Amino acid sequence: GQQVMQIPQYQHVQEGEDFTTYCNSSTTLSNIQWYKQRPGGHPVFLIQLVKSGEVKKQKRLTFQFGEAKKNSSLHITATQTTDVGTYFCAGDGGSNYKLTFGKGTLLTVNP
Amino acid sequence: NAGVTQTPKFQVLKTGQSMTLQCAQDMNHEYMSWYRQDPGMGLRLIHYSVGAGITDQGEVPNGYNVSRSTTEDFPLRLLSAAPSQTSVYFCASSTGLLGNYGYTFGSGTRLTVV
Repeated sequence: GQQVMQIPQYQHVQEGEDFTTYCNSSTTLSNIQWYKQRPGGHPVFLIQLVKSGEVKKQKRLTFQFGEAKKNSSLHITATQTTDVGTYFCAGDGGSNYKLTFGKGTLLTVNP
Repeated sequence: NAGVTQTPKFQVLKTGQSMTLQCAQDMNHEYMSWYRQDPGMGLRLIHYSVGAGITDQGEVPNGYNVSRSTTEDFPLRLLSAAPSQTSVYFCASSTGLLGNYGYTFGSGTRLTVV
């Protein structure tokens, strides 16, 4: 079945440093989604990427979808303590409703 | 709008007991899913539904049943609870319309089976 690998598993940064998490799928994806989960909370939808090579920005967050639609990345510029949480990518192989989640990257930020 | 509502928030079961985790959404979403989250395992799909009367299995369906009699409700039934089902369960819904597939998650049910 479809597998979605996410690295790194953990990342600790000083406030103000940049952060990147990477996502790779074993199969071509129709779209990829990113979620953030605060400690003790539930996943919250951040964004969806659909097109090959697509790049989207949300303030300090930049999301990319690879040309082959098998990989994606989330980059945070100048992290803040409010960025703390686990970031998940979730891939869709074509159903548009059956997501496979990566195991997530836990980001901690030292103030 | 309340979004996705899950009840109960916490539950302790004895091995062999059965129970139903409730999930309701008021956004008229067609797609609904149940996930379990375990440490180091991420979110794994248990069952999903693409509309009332239509359900299918996800990655880890064994020991769980679902039904979707209405658009709003998607309950998850544990048939005979086992310690391996100790987990946090999330229900999620998505509209799937106009190419918008992002899921809205409920706040979760923390289940412990002893």
